[in-house]
Amino acid sequence: GENVEQHPSTLSVQEGDSAVIKCTYSDSASNYFPWYKQELGKRPQLIIDIRSNVGEKKDQRIAVTLNKTAKHFSLHITETQPEDSAVYFCADGEYNFNKFYFGSGTKLNVKP
Amino acid sequence: DAMVIQNPRYQVTQFGKPVTLSCSQTLNHNVMYWYQQKSSQAPKLLFHYYDKDFNNEADTPDNFQSRRPNTSFCFLDIRSPGLGDAAMYLCATSRDRGNYEQYFGPGTRLTVT
Repeated sequence: GENVEQHPSTLSVQEGDSAVIKCTYSDSASNYFPWYKQELGKRPQLIIDIRSNVGEKKDQRIAVTLNKTAKHFSLHITETQPEDSAVYFCADGEYNFNKFYFGSGTKLNVKP
Repeated sequence: DAMVIQNPRYQVTQFGKPVTLSCSQTLNHNVMYWYQQKSSQAPKLLFHYYDKDFNNEADTPDNFQSRRPNTSFCFLDIRSPGLGDAAMYLCATSRDRGNYEQYFGPGTRLTVT
């Protein structure tokens, strides 16, 4: 759906700490939730995604959790590194149509 | 190795002067998208093509049109650009419907003078 709220808008962490970004959605039909990373001046790139039939997905230092009942999902980055610094966008959509709507973005700054 | 190519990368146009942005892909993907991204904002979906089927977002202004003459190419036409249309325009593709990754092009930064 078109209403995806994302928090926080900026996040600053120390290298090695964890970072968590949260999104909430309102459309009950949404069943696909990708996360994109956009470095300054570059194109968005998919880092992880999750479908509504699972509650958690992990890929090395990155994990996404989904709570369908509460209609929220979160991105977790562990052992953050300076190269994780970027803007992260959540999105929701219906995967049968493969179009989705982005949240407002979180600017993550990992301090060395 | 470029997969989604956008030309030009930077475009300057005058207020009210029609402009066309182009996108091409070497992936043979069925779906192509156009997004508008203003500074420090999220990409906003304008429309997408599933093969030749055009799908417009309800809030996309009539000033924006699109053409997809074949699988590889998609064009964004802005009929009468206003100052508020200055933005980065991102083209993306995906293999098909379903949870396939969207591949973004590098974008075209449009300036309206």
